[in-house]
Amino acid sequence: DAGVIQSPRHEVTEMGQEVTLRCKPISGHNSLFWYRQTMMRGLELLIYFNNNVPIDDSGMPEDRFSAKMPNASFSTLKIQPSEPRDSAVYFCASSPTRNRVEQFFGPGTRLTVL
Amino acid sequence: QKEVEQNSGPLSVPEGAIASLNCTYSDRVSQSFFWYRQYSGKSPELIMSIYSNGDKEDGRFTAQLNKASQYVSLLIRDSQPSDSATYLCAVGGYGQNFVFGPGTRLSVLP
Repeated sequence: DAGVIQSPRHEVTEMGQEVTLRCKPISGHNSLFWYRQTMMRGLELLIYFNNNVPIDDSGMPEDRFSAKMPNASFSTLKIQPSEPRDSAVYFCASSPTRNRVEQFFGPGTRLTVL
Repeated sequence: QKEVEQNSGPLSVPEGAIASLNCTYSDRVSQSFFWYRQYSGKSPELIMSIYSNGDKEDGRFTAQLNKASQYVSLLIRDSQPSDSATYLCAVGGYGQNFVFGPGTRLSVLP
């Protein structure tokens, strides 16, 4: 079975540019999570969806960040405009059901904002 | 604010020894507990989940949970150099929202 798929794997952009990260969860999983990981702050939950509906976006750092899940097999995390402090590894994870809450992570997108 | 704490390490153990990783959490109503392993440059990989007080064994790994003390641990028996990684403790409540600890870096010395 394919795991969580993320694209791109690496993104280098200049400050002020729009960045879009993409995620395809494991087929049949009902929940999807976006995390950001840095050395300083560790792994932080940005937002999570249950059945395509955003449940908790309290971790989204500011209005420059937005996330969508238009269907069960696709989600995007957008940063507009990007800033150097957004440089991090962004992970997408999915979990099966509300009764099975184990989360499975994608390979991540390493974002560098110059 | 839920908090999950771990010793940052690095924890160094010789090959073949038992590595003991510890995690404490602040939210008494937490229901689910997980250990993830993360190799450098890779994504977190789930290695153990535990929901009830006591021990749960899977191969060389044993997770121990004590809800009264708000403490969960991971023991790795017969440690191998390939176990060298950062181990993340994650704690969840009634929903699916986890809080991850900062991780403990383990180094197994040949």
